[in-house]
Amino acid sequence: SQTIHQWPATLVQPVGSPLSLECTVEGTSNPNLYWYRQAAGRGLQLLFYSVGIGQISSEVPQNLSASRPQDRQFILSSKKLLLSDSGFYLCAWSVREGPQHFGDGTRLSIL
Amino acid sequence: AQTVTQSQPEMSVQEAETVTLSCTYDTSESDYYLFWYKQPPSRQMILVIRQEAYKQQNATENRFSVNFQKAAKSFSLKISDSQLGDAAMYFCAYRSDSGGGADGLTFGKGTHLIIQP
Repeated sequence: SQTIHQWPATLVQPVGSPLSLECTVEGTSNPNLYWYRQAAGRGLQLLFYSVGIGQISSEVPQNLSASRPQDRQFILSSKKLLLSDSGFYLCAWSVREGPQHFGDGTRLSIL
Repeated sequence: AQTVTQSQPEMSVQEAETVTLSCTYDTSESDYYLFWYKQPPSRQMILVIRQEAYKQQNATENRFSVNFQKAAKSFSLKISDSQLGDAAMYFCAYRSDSGGGADGLTFGKGTHLIIQP
């Protein structure tokens, strides 16, 4: 069966520091991968999605970037975090026309 | 761009009763998918049910069913025999079919469901 791992679960970072969140999927090949952000009390906003290695589509201009160095690995990064980057970040995967399945999320707090 | 609207920020229901959560969406596309996700306090997003727009038959998953009205662009979720474990945020989501399934989801702002024992 397929599983998705996302880490870390919680992260506290100072303003201006770099960021790296990692997501890996097991049990499937060539998945579609997604990064979402959920601000407090709100729905999820799509940040990036990828249909293959090195292929990244950005939905919202921001201080973040994404990379897909391997088939089942998706990384969310920032060179300098802003206060507005705080939130709950969720990685998800899907195959073909199937539904998206989410990881457990990372709670990011910027101080 | 597509939008999803959930007009009920919070709903409350007695245990064992039935509750319906509302969702409307706006799109100019004819082929798409609709989903309901549940987010309990643990914040994990759990798929509840999905509906393909080309299917006229409403989807059902055990105690969960939808009322899909394509012309009205309405997609409500009915939870029968509500249980304490159903307490969560419920999100309605839309996905275009134009990208072969790769498109991201557009979410509503959610409905907080409270189950009264």
